Amino acid sequence: EVQLVESGGGLVQPGRSLKLSCAASGFTFSNYYMAWVRQAPKKGLEWVATISTSGSRTYYPDSVKGRFTISRDNAKSSLYLQMNSLKSEDTATYYCARRAANWVVFDYWGQGVMVTVSS
Amino acid sequence: DIQMTQSPASLSASLEEIVTITCQASQDIGNWLAWYQQKPGKSPQLLIYDATSLADGVPSRFSGSRSGTQYSLKISRLQVEDIGSYYCQQAHSNPLTFGSGTKLEIK
Repeated sequence: EVQLVESGGGLVQPGRSLKLSCAASGFTFSNYYMAWVRQAPKKGLEWVATISTSGSRTYYPDSVKGRFTISRDNAKSSLYLQMNSLKSEDTATYYCARRAANWVVFDYWGQGVMVTVSS
Repeated sequence: DIQMTQSPASLSASLEEIVTITCQASQDIGNWLAWYQQKPGKSPQLLIYDATSLADGVPSRFSGSRSGTQYSLKISRLQVEDIGSYYCQQAHSNPLTFGSGTKLEIK
């Protein structure tokens, strides 16, 4: 059974940093692109970052480019999101998601972790 | 960026009724479209990919279609377990973008 379990969320002040983790199991982690998708309270979904199987390629929307860094450790079947210079608009539930093998869609999602940026 | 205009924002329908949700892409994305369901308090789940292909384990009452740059998700016979929010997502190019969502309730 595919499982994605996020951790590392919490309350953080504007301008500070936070690192999220996602522990994957139930599939060969190194064979899949992985991603982070977020959802602000009572709002819709927003793609945040994608990383290739080896970690050599990463992709971000302009809203987080230069502030967020996605990374992975295939030996540990773990995905990470380093978030720097956090803003109030980054307040959201962050989901770790597996990208499907042959389609740019997300076929498995974690339960999500809440990040609140507030003073 | 590709904009996905989703409608309606909310929808109330009766059990067994046919429900249709639409997404309009701001440019040609071919069949690069997915639909997700998010039940209250839960994570999103993939329903449809490639505009019309049903994801594993998804009931056959769900279907997707395409007409040009307009995409539709149809629920043929609404069930109680179908309540929640639905989102489209274009998979054509980065940045990946989602529709604004449709909240589905039972009348």
